[in-house]
Amino acid sequence: NAGVTQTPKFQVLKTGQSMTLQCAQDMNHNSMYWYRQDPGMGLRLIYYSASEGTTDKGEVPNGYNVSRLNKREFSLRLESAAPSQTSVYFCASSISVGALETQYFGPGTRLLVL
Amino acid sequence: KQEVTQIPAALSVPEGENLVLNCSFTDSAIYNLQWFRQDPGKGLTSLLLIQSSQREQTSGRLNASLDKSSGRSTLYIAASQPGDSATYLCAVRLRVGFGNEKLTFGTGTRLTIIP
Repeated sequence: NAGVTQTPKFQVLKTGQSMTLQCAQDMNHNSMYWYRQDPGMGLRLIYYSASEGTTDKGEVPNGYNVSRLNKREFSLRLESAAPSQTSVYFCASSISVGALETQYFGPGTRLLVL
Repeated sequence: KQEVTQIPAALSVPEGENLVLNCSFTDSAIYNLQWFRQDPGKGLTSLLLIQSSQREQTSGRLNASLDKSSGRSTLYIAASQPGDSATYLCAVRLRVGFGNEKLTFGTGTRLTIIP
């Protein structure tokens, strides 16, 4: 049981390049999330998906698109990368278990946009 | 808009001491509150989750309390060890619909335990 996995671990892009961050979970969770973490800002929600086939904007969606390919996978795409998107990106998943909802996080992808 | 604050941003204490980390939030209409640990270069690991109806939760040397009315939570770590060195994040959860939840995170407290 690998939990939440993310690829790649590190990436350097030039301004204007595109890329897709991959996330997969093997816990049969319904909900999946993408966050970015910046110094002094905490984690901020970019997009989330409550179930397969649905996606919704979070706090900072501009410049990003997402795809919930199936129940396991939730990808984040940067169509035209900008230096402001330099950050650490975390994917998470969760399942409602009564009152014990909790999110499980992947190890993160470190992105540098030059 | 929910805001979550953690003070101090960094804390250093000698090994063996008991310590308290603080978290405050502006909107008391939360579903639950969660404490996470983040090691350098790693993802987040859940430590404790407190439901809005609960006052505290305990796991080993960790005890988290919640006072919704005052918008505060504390994480108490007993008999600190060097392995406790990490960044501790609190997050409050709002329920926005069935199956949907939104976490608002604090910026964290970076804890260093001095051997």
